[in-house]
Amino acid sequence: NAGVTQTPKFRVLKTGQSMTLLCAQDMNHEYMYWYRQDPGMGLRLIHYSVGEGTTAKGEVPDGYNVSRLKKQNFLLGLESAAPSQTSVYFCASSYSFNSGTEAFFGQGTRLTVV
Amino acid sequence: DQQVKQNSPSLSVQEGRISILNCDYTNSMFDYFLWYKKYPAEGPTFLISISSIKDKNEDGRFTVFLNKSAKHLSLHIVPSQPGDSAVYFCAASDTNAGKSTFGDGTTLTVKP
Repeated sequence: NAGVTQTPKFRVLKTGQSMTLLCAQDMNHEYMYWYRQDPGMGLRLIHYSVGEGTTAKGEVPDGYNVSRLKKQNFLLGLESAAPSQTSVYFCASSYSFNSGTEAFFGQGTRLTVV
Repeated sequence: DQQVKQNSPSLSVQEGRISILNCDYTNSMFDYFLWYKKYPAEGPTFLISISSIKDKNEDGRFTVFLNKSAKHLSLHIVPSQPGDSAVYFCAASDTNAGKSTFGDGTTLTVKP
């Protein structure tokens, strides 16, 4: 019963390097989200998807790109990493956005950009 | 402009007593409010929610109260247990916009 799985759990990047964070969910959820959490702050929405093949910008989309080629996967890309992108990244999914449906979160990816 | 605010970064209570966590919001379009709990090195997990058409929702030891006129909600935990020690996030949903906005969280410590 995996739920939402994020890969990798930890990563250290040099400034300017690129990487992709993978999120996979096995609950057949339509909605998927990428958040970042900085110390002392809440979760800020980077990008989200309302279904396979769709993506939309959240609160803090600059410097990130996403793709949802398969319903179960949501990829977050950093083309040229910057120290300001040092954060903990959480992926989440939900089966609906109606009626206050809760989101299920992955365990997080701790990314450090040096 | 922060639309969801949790003004208390931390709260400490004694085991068995009541914990009250507060949350204020500014956007009248929010129609659902959710509370999430987060342990260190884990992702948040859903705790309880309330629709904007209700003023109270209860689930076991957890009760959420909504005061729509004051744009304020609170989470009550009674009785508090050491295992409740975690960061609690308030989130507000605008269903038409398809996304939630989170507060900065309140760290609850329940002392044995």
